[in-house]
Amino acid sequence: ETGVTQTPRHLVMGMTNKKSLKCEQHLGHNAMYWYKQSAKKPLELMFVYNFKEQTENNSVPSRFSPECPNSSHLFLHLHTLQPEDSALYLCASSQTLAGDNEQFFGPGTRLTVL
Amino acid sequence: GENVEQHPSTLSVQEGDSAVIKCTYSDSASNYFPWYKQELGKGPQLIIDIRSNVGEKKDQRIAVTLNKTAKHFSLHITETQPEDSAVYFCAASDEYSSASKIIFGSGTRLSIRP
Repeated sequence: ETGVTQTPRHLVMGMTNKKSLKCEQHLGHNAMYWYKQSAKKPLELMFVYNFKEQTENNSVPSRFSPECPNSSHLFLHLHTLQPEDSALYLCASSQTLAGDNEQFFGPGTRLTVL
Repeated sequence: GENVEQHPSTLSVQEGDSAVIKCTYSDSASNYFPWYKQELGKGPQLIIDIRSNVGEKKDQRIAVTLNKTAKHFSLHITETQPEDSAVYFCAASDEYSSASKIIFGSGTRLSIRP
């Protein structure tokens, strides 16, 4: 295991539902990330947090809302999603935000939007 | 924008043979090049990396080479085994910049034939 856990592992939701993805890292890292993985864009960075503060939002639609209550936990709140949002959502963490820091990934949440 | 191209997208090799995956980057500021392996049902995991002041690095059956002039870097796996079957991602970043600027290649699905 990488020390990064994600729940749930699988999620099916309708377009009008509201759900949340949870990520927890047990590595004492300061930076955390959300990625979207799909066939079209294998690793697409969505959000970055450093010491609980959001540092990057890569033009992600507002139907995705991240939350980082502390350096160990990261959430992705979902509402009124579209079928094209179906993908694997990966959480990652790294010790710092330095460009040569190894990123530790969780196993991902497989999301299906009906 | 900056880009990392990765080839091939799929690769099938006989067990025991070698596999080579190639990447090209466009940002001259890139000086750190990690390779991640993603097994089925798991998130990507760092397997080896190389910095711009080194031309080659080896770790048991895995080696990476870097040609800064041509902006090419490659992953070499020798004596392939069934457990090498996975998706491999190359990436490029600037160690002095933010990890959020890392750019991943599109991935190579490697299959090892018994």
